[in-house]
Amino acid sequence: NAGVTQTPKFRVLKTGQSMTLLCAQDMNHEYMYWYRQDPGMGLRLIHYSVGEGTTAKGEVPDGYNVSRLKKQNFLLGLESAAPSQTSVYFCASSLEGGITEAFFGQGTRLTVV
Amino acid sequence: DAKTTQPPSMDCAEGRAANLPCNHSTISGNEYVYWYRQIHSQGPQYIIHGLKNNETNEMASLIITEDRKSSTLILPHATLRDTAVYYCIVRGGANNLFFGTGTRLTVIP
Repeated sequence: NAGVTQTPKFRVLKTGQSMTLLCAQDMNHEYMYWYRQDPGMGLRLIHYSVGEGTTAKGEVPDGYNVSRLKKQNFLLGLESAAPSQTSVYFCASSLEGGITEAFFGQGTRLTVV
Repeated sequence: DAKTTQPPSMDCAEGRAANLPCNHSTISGNEYVYWYRQIHSQGPQYIIHGLKNNETNEMASLIITEDRKSSTLILPHATLRDTAVYYCIVRGGANNLFFGTGTRLTVIP
């Protein structure tokens, strides 16, 4: 099993450009999450999904959009990238939301110049 | 979800037990204590979780005090590969893991 796979691993964007980060999981998990991690800080939740076709906002949703058209995929979009969105992005999935362990991808390092 | 307090850093000699404390004085009855770790810049890795009883798995042991206001993660024989940031998280039914800034554990040869 691959677990949670994030694509791409690295990306450099110019301010104002758009891009989509892809997260794929092969564990048939219902819940999926997008986090960002800035230097010296813990992870902060951007958006999450409790099932196919559903999404919800987390702590820091502004400037991002998400979609969960298929159960195994969770996409994070930046419509107009800003330097403040320079960060490492982590996707995670879990079988249930409340008490089950979450599995994380290896991260996407995004730089906006 | 209850907030947690952890020391920012700790050192441990290789081969010795690493004991990482966590305070969660506002924890409520249905909230679990979770521990994750993040090695270098990799994605966080689940270690263990518990509600009120002590728990042990192949990676670590979790000791939760009787009043559940604090807990300790124990790595019985720390190795250099255990150098990481360790996050203590208290979670109930919310759809989030609030990571905080964790404890940076350095295992010293």
